[in-house]
Amino acid sequence: DAGVIQSPRHEVTEMGQEVTLRCKPISGHDYLFWYRQTMMRGLELLIYFNNNVPIDDSGMPEDRFSAKMPNASFSTLKIQPSEPRDSAVYFCASSSRRPYYGYTFGSGTRLTVV
Amino acid sequence: SQQGEEDPQALSIQEGENATMNCSYKTSINNLQWYRQNSGRGLVHLILIRSNEREKHSGRLRVTLDTSKKSSSLLITASRAADTASYFCATLDQAGTALIFGKGTTLSVSS
Repeated sequence: DAGVIQSPRHEVTEMGQEVTLRCKPISGHDYLFWYRQTMMRGLELLIYFNNNVPIDDSGMPEDRFSAKMPNASFSTLKIQPSEPRDSAVYFCASSSRRPYYGYTFGSGTRLTVV
Repeated sequence: SQQGEEDPQALSIQEGENATMNCSYKTSINNLQWYRQNSGRGLVHLILIRSNEREKHSGRLRVTLDTSKKSSSLLITASRAADTASYFCATLDQAGTALIFGKGTTLSVSS
């Protein structure tokens, strides 16, 4: 397996634009997580899915953020409109409950909003 | 909100020395996990210790857990330059499903 695949690796956008981040989890993993990492706040859990169903989105900072998982092999995190304070590295991770070997993280998307 | 807090925030050692990182957490846990993050990369799962375990080994890694003190430590023995990375402890959230990470310890190993 190629691991968790995120795209794009880097995204630079202007304030007010829509940004879509993409994630392909590991085949067979039934949990998918979106995290955001900044120097100030560390790793923050944004939302997670179980079997494609959103379970907890309490970490999504504002209504500008939305996430979907239309099928077991694809998820998106959308920010509309984007703001400079959204600049961060966004990670997607997946895991299985049984057997459990921890989370497998993607390489992240570094988002810069100017 | 952060559940685990790592200490120290940064650690610099020479190759061959041992590195010890500590993690304190707030609520009761089922297990505690340690992850490594190399610069510009995602986190990698290192080791999991269950609440009924006191110590666990994996290669050059040794993890201890003291549930009475709500603390864990990660020891890396005979460190190498390749161990240079950030190390995070993580515990499950209230629902017992999603991991909450600390802010990490940045380890620098110089040759």
